[in-house]
Amino acid sequence: GQSLEQPSEVTAVEGAIVQINCTYQTSGFYGLSWYQQHDGGAPTFLSYNALDGLEETGRFSSFLSRSDSYGYLLLQELQMKDSASYFCAVISWGKLQFGAGTQVVVTP
Amino acid sequence: NAGVMQNPRHLVRRRGQEARLRCSPMKGHSHVYWYRQLPEEGLKFMVYLQKENIIDESGMPKERFSAEFPKEGPSILRIQQVVRGDSAAYFCASSPALEETQYFGPGTRLLVL
Repeated sequence: GQSLEQPSEVTAVEGAIVQINCTYQTSGFYGLSWYQQHDGGAPTFLSYNALDGLEETGRFSSFLSRSDSYGYLLLQELQMKDSASYFCAVISWGKLQFGAGTQVVVTP
Repeated sequence: NAGVMQNPRHLVRRRGQEARLRCSPMKGHSHVYWYRQLPEEGLKFMVYLQKENIIDESGMPKERFSAEFPKEGPSILRIQQVVRGDSAAYFCASSPALEETQYFGPGTRLLVL
């Protein structure tokens, strides 16, 4: 089975950079995904790593190291609208297994 | 290209009633997944379907819950004899193929009184 650990909350000011770490214990998976969810909203796909290394998509980047069982999401140039929950998830045989989520609070 | 559609967006049921949640995947997507999110928690996988087939239902409660994805029409998640513990947000996602990115619908928020 899989379990994913991520911090419960991170607070940062507008314009800052935030890194959300995700460590996992898994017997095998296809890739690591990141989703954003605003209160009451649907999970929105942000980034995906099938291979080790960095994937960059605008202000958001994601990293995966399978040898370290570790990944992270990097949010740059934080904006107030980035206040939301962020989930890492491994995908295996079609199933997404989610972490408990990290609440990012952006302050002025 | 419309995204994943779910209806109803909100559903109120009394204990013992049935709840039917519908999901239409994105155009071109034949893989459908259902997830449940309890308040203040992450999403939990329930079931994975392709047209007319249940591929993986390992996350479905053994009783009262069923899912289908018929040849024509939306995927249906059916909860019989609802209890208060079924109150949650139910999200549907779809993908064009196995292991490809899943895109989520807006969810159905079920409240059992």
